[in-house]
Amino acid sequence: GENVEQHPSTLSVQEGDSAVIKCTYSDSASNYFPWYKQELGKRPQLIIDIRSNVGEKKDQRIAVTLNKTAKHFSLHITETQPEDSAVYFCAATSDTGRRALTFGSGTRLQVQP
Amino acid sequence: NAGVTQTPKFRVLKTGQSMTLLCAQDMNHEYMYWYRQDPGMGLRLIHYSVGEGTTAKGEVPDGYNVSRLKKQNFLLGLESAAPSQTSVYFCASSTWTSGNQETQYFGPGTRLLVL
Repeated sequence: GENVEQHPSTLSVQEGDSAVIKCTYSDSASNYFPWYKQELGKRPQLIIDIRSNVGEKKDQRIAVTLNKTAKHFSLHITETQPEDSAVYFCAATSDTGRRALTFGSGTRLQVQP
Repeated sequence: NAGVTQTPKFRVLKTGQSMTLLCAQDMNHEYMYWYRQDPGMGLRLIHYSVGEGTTAKGEVPDGYNVSRLKKQNFLLGLESAAPSQTSVYFCASSTWTSGNQETQYFGPGTRLLVL
């Protein structure tokens, strides 16, 4: 089955700096890669996703890049703000087999004001 | 439109007791999932369902059972709770269109403590 590794496990940045979180996946059939943000005590919420037919996607301060050859994808947050502080999860799935997301172990992002 | 809801929000059980967690969605999604979340381990799939009347095992199914008698409901059962099942349980639902997964929505979670 799919295995998703996520790094780093914790990340501390100064407000206004950029943050990058990286994930690698094992199943070359995976074709959908969402990123979820989870605030303390809340449910995970989708912030951006990318499909295998594109290499990059942006939404305001957030971008995701995908390298299918190397089987890794990354989340980039620019101009970080204190409200970006949360745990971020990457995930992967394919339209074959289980059709269920496999999640990374999460990155706790702390934005220092 | 409530999205995905879960009942109860919090529960304390003694070892050996049983309970059922209820998940409901009003988005007409075919796929429903149960995950558990433990510190430092992300979200791990327990069981899932691809449609009414179907269930399948995920990564960590031992000690749990599920049922999907109605499309909008997905029940997770613990027959004999163990301290190792102390966790936060999340239900989720999604749909697939032309072989592509659409957004997976999560419920608010159930915090379970087994003593």
